[in-house]
Amino acid sequence: ELKVEQNPLFLSMQEGKNYTIYCNYSTTSDRLYWYRQDPGKSLESLFVLLSNGAVKQEGRLMASLDTKARLSTLHITAAVHDLSATYFCAVDHEGGGSQGNLIFGKGTKLSVKP
Amino acid sequence: NAGVTQTPKFRILKIGQSMTLQCTQDMNHNYMYWYRQDPGMGLKLIYYSVGAGITDKGEVPNGYNVSRSTTEDFPLRLELAAPSQTSVYFCASSYPYSGNTGELFFGEGSRLTVL
Repeated sequence: ELKVEQNPLFLSMQEGKNYTIYCNYSTTSDRLYWYRQDPGKSLESLFVLLSNGAVKQEGRLMASLDTKARLSTLHITAAVHDLSATYFCAVDHEGGGSQGNLIFGKGTKLSVKP
Repeated sequence: NAGVTQTPKFRILKIGQSMTLQCTQDMNHNYMYWYRQDPGMGLKLIYYSVGAGITDKGEVPNGYNVSRSTTEDFPLRLELAAPSQTSVYFCASSYPYSGNTGELFFGEGSRLTVL
């Protein structure tokens, strides 16, 4: 059974600080996704990581994938209040096949304070 | 494009009632999904469909039924609603074929309360 674990589950940061969210998964997969969810809203796709060593950056967020370690990280640089949200990682249940069946982590609730 | 559209956005049901959550997408995606989201639990897959006429169970299918008569529509039916079905339901679609990323596109969600 594929398990996806995120940590931390809650993260309170000060503006301007850096931090990393970790996403570990239990079986082989070379597709990993990061989503953002604002309170009461839908999920918005942030990054799609499709191979070992993939790195994607958008603004103050950078995501990477190490398929050998079964680990993805979401790094936050110089956090600002607008980044406050819940961040989910999700792994393709079919291990990179065409099924598109994603298993989600429980999410990391990020709160950025002045 | 409207993307993935869900209705209703909010609904309160009494125990034992039935209802259908509607989902339609205009992106010509073959794959569609229903997830439920409970506080602090991430998203759990209820049912999914890889094309019209084909559906399959996900992780938590009990108490739900689906149908897929067209590419665009994927309704989720709750029979005999129970308090345990109080949740936020998300419909999603994707086009996970070779050369595509397989990422899911989500609707706005339907918040269901069973009392």
